[in-house]
This record gives sequence, C-alpha cells and structure tokens, in this order.
Amino acid sequence: DIQMTQSPSSLSASVGDRVTLTCRASQSISNYLNWYQQKPGKAPTVLIYAASTLQSGVPSRFSGSGSGTQFTLTITNVQPGDFATYYCQQTYYDHRSTFGQGTLLEIK
Amino acid sequence: EMQLVESGGGLVQPGGSRRLSCAASGFSFTEYSMAWVRQVPGRGLEWISYIGTSSTIIHYADSVKGRFTVSRDNGKNSLFLQMNSLRAADTAVYYCAREVHHYADYGLARYFYFYMDLWGKGTSVTVSS
Repeated sequence: DIQMTQSPSSLSASVGDRVTLTCRASQSISNYLNWYQQKPGKAPTVLIYAASTLQSGVPSRFSGSGSGTQFTLTITNVQPGDFATYYCQQTYYDHRSTFGQGTLLEIK
Repeated sequence: EMQLVESGGGLVQPGGSRRLSCAASGFSFTEYSMAWVRQVPGRGLEWISYIGTSSTIIHYADSVKGRFTVSRDNGKNSLFLQMNSLRAADTAVYYCAREVHHYADYGLARYFYFYMDLWGKGTSVTVSS
C-alpha cells in the first residue's frame, strides 16, 4: 500500500501570509495527487487534482506542485475562510486511493 | 442542486450489521462512479470502497474487504454500503462521494486521473456495546 505523510501536522498563520503544506508518498506516484480542504463538521471539498490542476471555482491563491514522491500545496495571501484541515490523496491505482493524515491550518 | 444524502447510521453492537444508503439528486447518477470514504472523529479520511457505473468494477480497502459490500441501484439513484461483522474500529462518519474522471493526453500516452468532487454530509456509525 502507498502511504501518504503530510507535514506539518499543524501550522499557524496570519491572514495575508503565504503558507506551504507538504505531502510525501511512500513510493513514486507520478502526479496522481489531489488536495482537499475540510472545515469542521463539513465534508471535504477538492481544491487541486493531478498535483497542480486547480478545480473549477477554487481561488487562484491555491496552487499545487510536485511529482514523484514530494508534493506541495501553497496558499498565498491566506484568507479567513482558508483556516481548515487540508488532506492530500494519492490516486496512483485506478479507483483506489489513500489520504494523508491531514494538516490543520490555524489562525496565529 | 446536485447533492448526496447519506442515511442509515446509528449505534450498532460489535459483530452486528448496518446498511448505509446514499441518495443522489440533481445530476445523472448513472454516469458517475461512486465511492465511500469514512472519517473517525477527530482523525483523517479513509477511502474504503469504489463502485463503477454499472457495478462491474468494485474495489475495497483491505480494512473492510470481506465484511463490507458496496452496491448501487441506478434506477433509484442510490448507493449502498452493507456493513457486516462491525468492530469498534469501524466507528466513523461515513461519506458517499461522486468520483470524477479526467483524462490527459501527453504525446501518445493517455493518463487517467480521478477525484471526488461531490460529497454528502455524512452519516455517523458507532460500534459499541
């Protein structure tokens, strides 16, 4: 099984900051990597798929990069609504996936 | 409005069974593959099952294989998860999610990507005596 490890587990930031979240795969997954945002008590919403493709309707301050085993999600100019938990998801095997354990973005 | 609504959660004893349902509306259910994802309270997300549009392709996570069965009724726009031999570790919020497929062509190669773009609000299952 492919294991996904996110770091840090939590991160404090202020409105307007630029933050970078990291996701590492236990083996190469090319660019089969998605990012989701989840707010408390809500279902996740997809932000980015194929490592760097922004889902329709997602603000351009979110960006993704990486390939192989190392991936990043960058949020520039963090907004109040961005404080949430972020999950990466590998989709290397058709229709089967695993998620990282999440990174909690908190207000400083 | 496109939506997924899960139901069927509740308290069940260890070793017991539960059937979850997911009602889809606002989109053509028959055109989409579906998935179940669960989340232990305060913990991360765990993909547990996938079912293709015609139910011919089905996958399970190892943690539920042999105990859970996914099915769908396209005529009723519904997805189901039959859970047997439940354990305390199965206590979680269960989400159904729509799977979107994206193909990208690079030269002669075609790459297949998927992600979940529509989720229900989840239904909570507690396994406890």
